[in-house]
Amino acid sequence: DQQVKQNSPSLSVQEGRISILNCDYTNSMFDYFLWYKKYPAEGPTFLISISSIKDKNEDGRFTVFLNKSAKHLSLHIVPSQPGDSAVYFCAARGEGGGADGLTFGKGTHLIIQP
Amino acid sequence: SQTIHQWPATLVQPVGSPLSLECTVEGTSNPNLYWYRQAAGRGLQLLFYSVGIGQISSEVPQNLSASRPQDRQFILSSKKLLLSDSGFYLCAAGGRITEAFFGQGTRLTVV
Repeated sequence: DQQVKQNSPSLSVQEGRISILNCDYTNSMFDYFLWYKKYPAEGPTFLISISSIKDKNEDGRFTVFLNKSAKHLSLHIVPSQPGDSAVYFCAARGEGGGADGLTFGKGTHLIIQP
Repeated sequence: SQTIHQWPATLVQPVGSPLSLECTVEGTSNPNLYWYRQAAGRGLQLLFYSVGIGQISSEVPQNLSASRPQDRQFILSSKKLLLSDSGFYLCAAGGRITEAFFGQGTRLTVV
């Protein structure tokens, strides 16, 4: 049973436009959500996070939105740049992750086209 | 800031051979440590976590084991590798109020 779902395996966006990556979760006990960016053959790097008591967190070009009633979060990247091409993982923390471990989605491969 | 060292970066091992992957952490003390695996077409699966020396918890039954002989050392092992153990293994360190930091990963191919 997948508790964190990223239903789009890949997403192609033109450079300069907005990239929107989506994530859904099923466990209402999750209280903290994170986005990680991963390049091939490298470990994921932390991008941005949001607590369940907030509905928006912004950091430069990156904004994460949380809709608790819908159990949905999204990552907005604007404007998209070539270096943003990577796999993006949504992760959640709480009972589903087990003693502070994170529960990850399967990832979305973002491709920024010139 | 925390730094996670993992080695080796790539590894090709025959079926039935043993495995030992090592992870060390710098820049923090008493971290929570984790082993994750990314299999082809799948997300990051939590395998083991440790909240202290000698304390290991397993998230899923598998052919692997983990040990934490020192505060900042975390080892992933297997006595006999299976083909299904192939994947990208990631060590991570983190705490309750901070995000997890990941190492560069080890690409394991069992042949």
